[in-house]
Amino acid sequence: AQSVTQLGSHVSVSEGALVLLRCNYSSSVPPYLFWYVQYPNQGLQLLLKYTTGATLVKGINGFEAEFKKSETSFHLTKPSAHMSDAAEYFCAVSFRSGSARQLTFGSGTQLTVLP
Amino acid sequence: DAGITQSPRYKITETGRQVTLMCHQTWSHSYMFWYRQDLGHGLRLIYYSAAADITDKGEVPDGYVVSRSKTENFPLTLESATRSQTSVYFCASSELRSDTQYFGPGTRLTVL
Repeated sequence: AQSVTQLGSHVSVSEGALVLLRCNYSSSVPPYLFWYVQYPNQGLQLLLKYTTGATLVKGINGFEAEFKKSETSFHLTKPSAHMSDAAEYFCAVSFRSGSARQLTFGSGTQLTVLP
Repeated sequence: DAGITQSPRYKITETGRQVTLMCHQTWSHSYMFWYRQDLGHGLRLIYYSAAADITDKGEVPDGYVVSRSKTENFPLTLESATRSQTSVYFCASSELRSDTQYFGPGTRLTVL
């Protein structure tokens, strides 16, 4: 069975500070891992994903994440927070069930950026 | 480029009523999904469909019915709404053999 744990339901950072959102996963097979962002009253938008290959993955808006198999982690980082980064962030693991690749989501982390 | 749309965006209904949430995508994606989003739970899969006339249950299917007569549409029906079905519902789609899902804007459903 696959599962995702996001540590910290709320994270606050100052504008210009490092953003670190934590995600740990459990998977019985090599995982595909995703980070999605949700802005208020909108759907989820893909930030980045890891499937195979390079373990450091770069995404949109300056975000990146590193797949660490030994730590079963896929933490999301951004060197310098911007006010526009304020949103909810979801980590997800993909697995094949039946005919489709399904996503299991973490419970989300609300990021607040302070001026 | 409409992408994936959902209607209505907001709906208030009463316990026991039937409600249908619509999802339409213009990409001709094979797969479509319905999720519900509740505080503290992230998104949970209700049903998914691999193609027209092929549907399968997800994690939380009880109380919901889906159909897919056309590739582009994937309606979700609550046959007899309950208060526990108050939630935000998201539709998503993906291409065949793709691992990336694209999400609609969501429908906020309130059951009184």
